[in-house]
Amino acid sequence: DAKTTQPNSMESNEEEPVHLPCNHSTISGTDYIHWYRQLPSQGPEYVIHGLTSNVNNRMASLAIAEDRKSSTLILHRATLRDAAVYYCILRLQGGSEKLVFGKGTKLTVNP
Amino acid sequence: NAGVTQTPKFQVLKTGQSMTLQCAQDMNHEYMSWYRQDPGMGLRLIHYSVGAGITDQGEVPNGYNVSRSTTEDFPLRLLSAAPSQTSVYFCASRRWGETQYFGPGTRLLVL
Repeated sequence: DAKTTQPNSMESNEEEPVHLPCNHSTISGTDYIHWYRQLPSQGPEYVIHGLTSNVNNRMASLAIAEDRKSSTLILHRATLRDAAVYYCILRLQGGSEKLVFGKGTKLTVNP
Repeated sequence: NAGVTQTPKFQVLKTGQSMTLQCAQDMNHEYMSWYRQDPGMGLRLIHYSVGAGITDQGEVPNGYNVSRSTTEDFPLRLLSAAPSQTSVYFCASRRWGETQYFGPGTRLLVL
């Protein structure tokens, strides 16, 4: 399975934008880029996913590099409730059940 | 919808004891999975099922058994618990081509 690399931790201030990077240099042409987050003492929850084009939803935006070797999750205005571990995962759409989680990025949001 | 539910929330076992972790979903999802999460780590896939009567092994299947007799339920059995199985266990489900929904987790301590 293709792997992803993320910083161990990041900090942000409340109401400021946050850019969470992810490197996936061995991504294949059929791998979708998924982001999940895990709030303390909870199960992971889906944030966003994309293949080639940038994606927006109510939670976040996903910016994908043209060569697809990296991507960035963008939280436009961080809130205290966004403090979580964010996982960048590669997955075949509709295919493999195996979500390969790395250690993720622990995001701290300061008031 | 209740989503994905897991019972119990917390369990303490002695080495050698057996138990079953319960997982149920009411979204009529074909796919269901079990993950474990060790402290400071990402999730690792134990077993998964692509439909009633069909199961397969994930990344760390040893020491665990599963069966899927109905679409709704996917229990995880520990036949002889070991301290190395101390972890937080997450069940997840999804529809083909869509993202996963995770349960709240079961914290297991094996003494």
